[in-house]
Amino acid sequence: NAGVTQTPKFQVLKTGQSMTLQCAQDMNHEYMSWYRQDPGMGLRLIHYSVGAGITDQGEVPNGYNVSRSTTEDFPLRLLSAAPSQTSVYFCASKAAGGATSSYEQYFGPGTRLTVT
Amino acid sequence: GEDVEQSLFLSVREGDSSVINCTYTDSSSTYLYWYKQEPGAGLQLLTYIFSNMDMKQDQRLTVLLNKKDKHLSLRIADTQTGDSAIYFCAENIGNTGKLIFGQGTTLQVKP
Repeated sequence: NAGVTQTPKFQVLKTGQSMTLQCAQDMNHEYMSWYRQDPGMGLRLIHYSVGAGITDQGEVPNGYNVSRSTTEDFPLRLLSAAPSQTSVYFCASKAAGGATSSYEQYFGPGTRLTVT
Repeated sequence: GEDVEQSLFLSVREGDSSVINCTYTDSSSTYLYWYKQEPGAGLQLLTYIFSNMDMKQDQRLTVLLNKKDKHLSLRIADTQTGDSAIYFCAENIGNTGKLIFGQGTTLQVKP
């Protein structure tokens, strides 16, 4: 199992550019989510999904879009990058309820994004 | 709304015990997590505790939960320099993978 993978690891964008951050998991987890981490603020939830075709907004969704066409993939799209979106982005996945292992939520290694 | 608070910094000597504290507001949380983040790395799940438990022990880690006061703590016994990292507590919301994180506590271990 590769677990949760994210690409790219680093990205520099100019203001106004768009891009997609990729996230994939091979654990057949139903739940996937995107967080951003800013210094001194912990992690904040951007969007989440409870299954293919189902997404919802988190605390800080503005400026980001998501879709979930497969169980494995949950890409995050920046529509028009702004300097305020400079951050480290983490993707996470978790199994649905039932087994003890469903309480474990796993994070990817992160994507460091700089918007100039 | 939901909120999770942590103290920002803790410094201990190698071999001492470390206690990292966390308070949360959502009384409906069914379980709470502790994650560890080393510099430049992702989040490593350390442990979690169900809201119907008072304590959970896992090797050098002890988690205490006081539901009445909505207070969670992580005790690391015999702290080592390799334990230096940022520690996050998080509460789950609705068992959908939605987590609310604290700001993180930076643990500094002095030799």
